[in-house]
Amino acid sequence: GDSVTQMEGPVTLSEEAFLTINCTYTATGYPSLFWYVQYPGEGLQLLLKATKADDKGSNKGFEATYRKETTSFHLEKGSVQVSDSAVYFCALNIQGAQKLVFGQGTRLTINP
Amino acid sequence: DAGVIQSPRHEVTEMGQEVTLRCKPISGHNSLFWYRQTMMRGLELLIYFNNNVPIDDSGMPEDRFSAKMPNASFSTLKIQPSEPRDSAVYFCASSLWRGTYNEQFFGPGTRLTVL
Repeated sequence: GDSVTQMEGPVTLSEEAFLTINCTYTATGYPSLFWYVQYPGEGLQLLLKATKADDKGSNKGFEATYRKETTSFHLEKGSVQVSDSAVYFCALNIQGAQKLVFGQGTRLTINP
Repeated sequence: DAGVIQSPRHEVTEMGQEVTLRCKPISGHNSLFWYRQTMMRGLELLIYFNNNVPIDDSGMPEDRFSAKMPNASFSTLKIQPSEPRDSAVYFCASSLWRGTYNEQFFGPGTRLTVL
C-alpha cells in the first residue's frame, strides 16, 4: 500500500544550522507530495508541495525536490531559526484519490 | 478569508458523557476530513465527506463515534459514550476537490480530555 517514511526525531539543531529532514515514499500510483508543519498548539499548515517529478516546492526558506528515481522528497533549509521549531509531516496524495497519507512526523527543536 | 473553524477548542468531560465537536469548513470547499492525533498513534484519518456525503469511514474506531455533515458549511463528530482513551486532539480539514491532487487546510483542533 501507499506509505510515507520520515526520519525519526526528535531533531535538535542550533540556530543558523543547515536542516535536512528525510522523507521517502511508496506509492502505487502517481503521487503529489507535501510538507506540512505543525507549530505548538496549532493545526497543520501546508508548507510546500510538488505535483510532478523534478518539481521543487519552496516556501519560507524551505525547499524540497520531488525525486521519482529515489522516491524521495527531503525537506531542506539553509539556515534555521528558533521560530522553525515545530513538527514536520511529509505526506502524499495519489492522483485521483482524496486521502492524504502522512508520515509519522519529525519534531524539530532549534536552540538559540 | 476565514480558515477552518472548530469548536470548542478545549473540552473536558467525564467518562460516559456525550461529546460533540463542531467544524465549519472553508467556504467553497467540497471535501471535509476528520482526524485524530495522539502521541501513540500519530495522525489518523477518521472519516471524510465529499459534497456532504460520507465517502470513507473506515477510520472511525467504533460505533461510539459518529459524524454528520448536514450541509456544506457544517459538520459534527460525536462520541457517545466517551471513554478516557478517546482523549486526543481532533482536527477538521477541508479541501476543494477537483479530481487531481488534494491540498487540505486544517483547523486549529479541539483538545478533548475524558476523565
